[in-house]
Amino acid sequence: KAGVTQTPRYLIKTRGQQVTLSCSPISGHRSVSWYQQTPGQGLQFLFEYFSETQRNKGNFPGRFSGRQFSNSRSEMNVSTLELGDSALYLCASSLSQGDGYTFGSGTRLTVV
Amino acid sequence: QKEVEQNSGPLSVPEGAIASLNCTYSDRGSQSFFWYRQYSGKSPELIMFIYSNGDKEDGRFTAQLNKASQYVSLLIRDSQPSDSATYLCASKGYSSASKIIFGSGTRLSIRP
Repeated sequence: KAGVTQTPRYLIKTRGQQVTLSCSPISGHRSVSWYQQTPGQGLQFLFEYFSETQRNKGNFPGRFSGRQFSNSRSEMNVSTLELGDSALYLCASSLSQGDGYTFGSGTRLTVV
Repeated sequence: QKEVEQNSGPLSVPEGAIASLNCTYSDRGSQSFFWYRQYSGKSPELIMFIYSNGDKEDGRFTAQLNKASQYVSLLIRDSQPSDSATYLCASKGYSSASKIIFGSGTRLSIRP
């Protein structure tokens, strides 16, 4: 079966712009989580959605937001991009909130 | 204070030997523990999870959990060069709303 699909794979944006990243979970998975990965900070939790509800949020500024649709697909948005937002953004899905995650291939965002 | 601690390595192990990766966690409420493998340029891949004290074996991999000592480990027997990767330890609390917290990872190198 298809894995977790993230689009786009690569993105280059200018400071001050906004960006929207998309994630389609494994069919049947209702929980979607987003992480930011950088060499210095490792995997940092952004937010988790379950059945269209945000169940958890990490310590990121309000410029980072997300949502989940009725088909479990999720998007995250970053507004007013800063150079420090350059990172690999990973989406992960699970069947339920207690299970381990399956990660997508990620979106590599570069802010210039 | 990071909630999940790992030695960043690199840990160098000869081919065929046992690789031992260790992880400690600070939240006594953590109930589920996961080990992920991440190859350079790729996304993390779940290889083991453990909920109960003791050992859990899956092929060449054994996860060990000691909740009293707040300690999780991963043993890789008969190490192969293809095991060279970064290994991420992660924990999750009891509540279904708990997020999965990742350590910063241990880089493992298997030398032929």
